[in-house]
Amino acid sequence: TQLLEQSPQFLSIQEGENLTVYCNSSSVFSSLQWYRQEPGEGPVLLVTVVTGGEVKKLKRLTFQFGDARKDSSLHITAAQPGDTGLYLCAGGLNDYKLSFGAGTTVTVRA
Amino acid sequence: DSGVTQTPKHLITATGQRVTLRCSPRSGDLSVYWYQQSLDQGLQFLIQYYNGEERAKGNILERFSAQQFPDLHSELNLSSLELGDSALYFCASSVEGRAGELFFGEGSRLTVL
Repeated sequence: TQLLEQSPQFLSIQEGENLTVYCNSSSVFSSLQWYRQEPGEGPVLLVTVVTGGEVKKLKRLTFQFGDARKDSSLHITAAQPGDTGLYLCAGGLNDYKLSFGAGTTVTVRA
Repeated sequence: DSGVTQTPKHLITATGQRVTLRCSPRSGDLSVYWYQQSLDQGLQFLIQYYNGEERAKGNILERFSAQQFPDLHSELNLSSLELGDSALYFCASSVEGRAGELFFGEGSRLTVL
């Protein structure tokens, strides 16, 4: 059983469309991270959210942390082919064991 | 470039063999983490070291062991290899106090035949 459940598992959209990826858990996290991984590479940190209800924007990416700090979402506006990749959410119940969701594979078609 | 260096990038070996994966963390980072990524299991935490000491253990098999040396580089030793050990093995490092913010290496792809 995954500590963090991500949905959907796969997402394929046309360039210019919007998309949202979800990350849910029954546990409360002190912080939650989003990473993006491209084939043949390691995950790259995109953002950390810390405060319940927090919204962070990174260009066309918007990250939201749920009020109860149990869930998060990633919204991409006007997706581009360069947004293609595996999006992973991660959270830790303590400072040491960071758990990752299974990931959402996003494909943006030109 | 994350600043985390892993070697080798690719490794092909036979069942029953032993391999060593090497990792150099970012300059100044004292924590090193090892993760295993496979298609069916996703990214699984194996073990963490902080300044030479084991700090946390995850789903690491008894056939696997790791250590962090005084110069902070780390090695992951995998022995009695099985077909199911084929996976990508990632090393990551972090700044103290920001354990969720990991900087990953490019990984070592292990294929066991």
